[in-house]
Amino acid sequence: GDSVTQMEGPVTLSEEAFLTINCTYTATGYPSLFWYVQYPGEGLQLLLKATKADDKGSNKGFEATYRKETTSFHLEKGSVQVSDSAVYFCALSSGGYQKVTFGTGTKLQVIP
Amino acid sequence: EAQVTQNPRYLITVTGKKLTVTCSQNMNHEYMSWYRQDPGLGLRQIYYSMNVEVTDKGDVPEGYKVSRKEKRNFPLILESPSPNQTSLYFCASSLTGTSGGISQYFGPGTRLTVT
Repeated sequence: GDSVTQMEGPVTLSEEAFLTINCTYTATGYPSLFWYVQYPGEGLQLLLKATKADDKGSNKGFEATYRKETTSFHLEKGSVQVSDSAVYFCALSSGGYQKVTFGTGTKLQVIP
Repeated sequence: EAQVTQNPRYLITVTGKKLTVTCSQNMNHEYMSWYRQDPGLGLRQIYYSMNVEVTDKGDVPEGYKVSRKEKRNFPLILESPSPNQTSLYFCASSLTGTSGGISQYFGPGTRLTVT
């Protein structure tokens, strides 16, 4: 079945540091890939997505590129802020199926 | 304002006492889904619905029931809750099914404790 593997957290960074959160996947067919963010006490919000190989999703300074050859969708940001502190989830949706598979989430803490 | 609402937000109950968590969306979305979030396990899909009267099991459906009688509502029913159903529950919706990169809108969550 489909699966998503994320790096374990928590990740603690100083403000303005570079962020990478690794995500790899196993899926049948050609999945769509997502990053969702969950701020404390809230539901998940879509951060960015990519629907085919080599697509780059971007939003709020975050980027992720759909790499089919390495089955990866790593999240990056050049300069994190305290307000980026949250839990980040990588997810996939396989074409033709209506089930969404999430990773276990990576907690990011940014300190001033 | 486009939103997914869940009620209640917090619930403490006892083993075996039937309960319902309501979910409603005001975006005329066809697809709705329930997830549970547990530490170290991420989000796992319980049930989903492609449209009115069309529901299907996700990855962890045991102990749960759902119904979709109206497009906007998708209640989650625990007929005999057990302590292993203590969790944080999220309802989500999207315009259509999730293939093709359609993203979901999530509710604020319901924290359920079963003693």
